[in-house]
Amino acid sequence: EPEVTQTPSHQVTQMGQEVILRCVPISNHLYFYWYRQILGQKVEFLVSFYNNEISEKSEIFDDQFSVERPDGSNFTLKIRSTKLEDSAMYFCASRMGTGKDIQYFGAGTRLSVL
Amino acid sequence: AQSVTQLDSQVPVFEEAPVELRCNYSSSVSVYLFWYVQYPNQGLQLLLKYLSGSTLVKGINGFEAEFNKSQTSFHLRKPSVHISDTAEYFCAVTLFSGGYNKLIFGAGTRLAVHP
Repeated sequence: EPEVTQTPSHQVTQMGQEVILRCVPISNHLYFYWYRQILGQKVEFLVSFYNNEISEKSEIFDDQFSVERPDGSNFTLKIRSTKLEDSAMYFCASRMGTGKDIQYFGAGTRLSVL
Repeated sequence: AQSVTQLDSQVPVFEEAPVELRCNYSSSVSVYLFWYVQYPNQGLQLLLKYLSGSTLVKGINGFEAEFNKSQTSFHLRKPSVHISDTAEYFCAVTLFSGGYNKLIFGAGTRLAVHP
């Protein structure tokens, strides 16, 4: 079964550094998402992406965050200058886009900011 | 605004006992409803979904859920749990608006199955 792939599984970085989290969505999917789960808390929507642009973003997704689909397969989340509070599990999801279809999630990247 | 409330943060249960994980939502428009499961150190896996039609939906691993529009609930049930069902369970809703369909999650319920 096709799956969403995220790399790396765990990223450790120093506060103030830039990180890029990578995702390979399912190949024929058109809608892409990033979600975040701070340890012990609920999964929160960050951003949705369609047709090479952001379609919706939450208040969490400030100027420090950006997303990109640099080629036909990868979907990346960049955090420009990480803060301690960015430590979380980041999930990528994709959806085909036929209306009643579902989002498929990757296994997540655990980001630890020291 | 839409929101999801999972009434129990933790549910301990003995193996082979039945279990119900509760979920209530609030929305002024029609929503789609989902249950996801997260096993330790893994991603989110879809258990089941309600999009339309029959209010009783069956999912993987013997789970089922019933959509109750009047009570705005979507409780998850399993008649007999196994040790392997120990995981975090998330209820989620999505609006079908503009096609972008972001998911709004509840806080999760940790199901702990004991022998």
